[in-house]
Amino acid sequence: DGGITQSPKYLFRKEGQNVTLSCEQNLNHDAMYWYRQDPGQGLRLIYYSQIVNDFQKGDIAEGYSVSREKKESFPLTVTSAQKNPTAFYLCASKQPGQENTEAFFGQGTRLTVV
Amino acid sequence: GENVEQHPSTLSVQEGDSAVIKCTYSDSASNYFPWYKQELGKRPQLIIDIRSNVGEKKDQRIAVTLNKTAKHFSLHITETQPEDSAVYFCAASIGGTSYGKLTFGQGTILTVHP
Repeated sequence: DGGITQSPKYLFRKEGQNVTLSCEQNLNHDAMYWYRQDPGQGLRLIYYSQIVNDFQKGDIAEGYSVSREKKESFPLTVTSAQKNPTAFYLCASKQPGQENTEAFFGQGTRLTVV
Repeated sequence: GENVEQHPSTLSVQEGDSAVIKCTYSDSASNYFPWYKQELGKRPQLIIDIRSNVGEKKDQRIAVTLNKTAKHFSLHITETQPEDSAVYFCAASIGGTSYGKLTFGQGTILTVHP
């Protein structure tokens, strides 16, 4: 089912807690991305990684952290420094190149602060 | 960085009518323009894309046009059906192994009334 899996589907976080969202792909893609989706604001880029052990901040990286220790995995940690973390989080992967290629998305994780 | 503006934010049509969604981009180096459809609670899925070396591309009832000079591109859906109701996102990307980062528009909620 698209080869990219996010877990969990729903996640609840208490104030002051860090939580980690999982993203795994078996498409052998080099590039992986994390987006945040809020109503009326489209998809905003949090972090992206073009290769193992390397990642770059996106447009809204504050309060988030990532790691890329393996090609197939790109977990996102939402830290207590993120003041408004309630949102729908989408992970994507693609194979970058001159011709550009389709980005495949996971099914998303809905994070709610309680 | 790249900035993508998408209009309208909502679009309501009668079944059988056509729907047009427009996007503009800011970075003249962008050369890949995909369109994604997202049904409620689901992952975005690619419906059509266009590269900068062509001006128009069609796939059955869906077409995309690109004007590089004006830096805008549009999605055209003809003979709309209720199952076309969804959120549509445009995006822009610069090709090459160092890039490939997708910047999304804000999204258009399309409602097709039977």
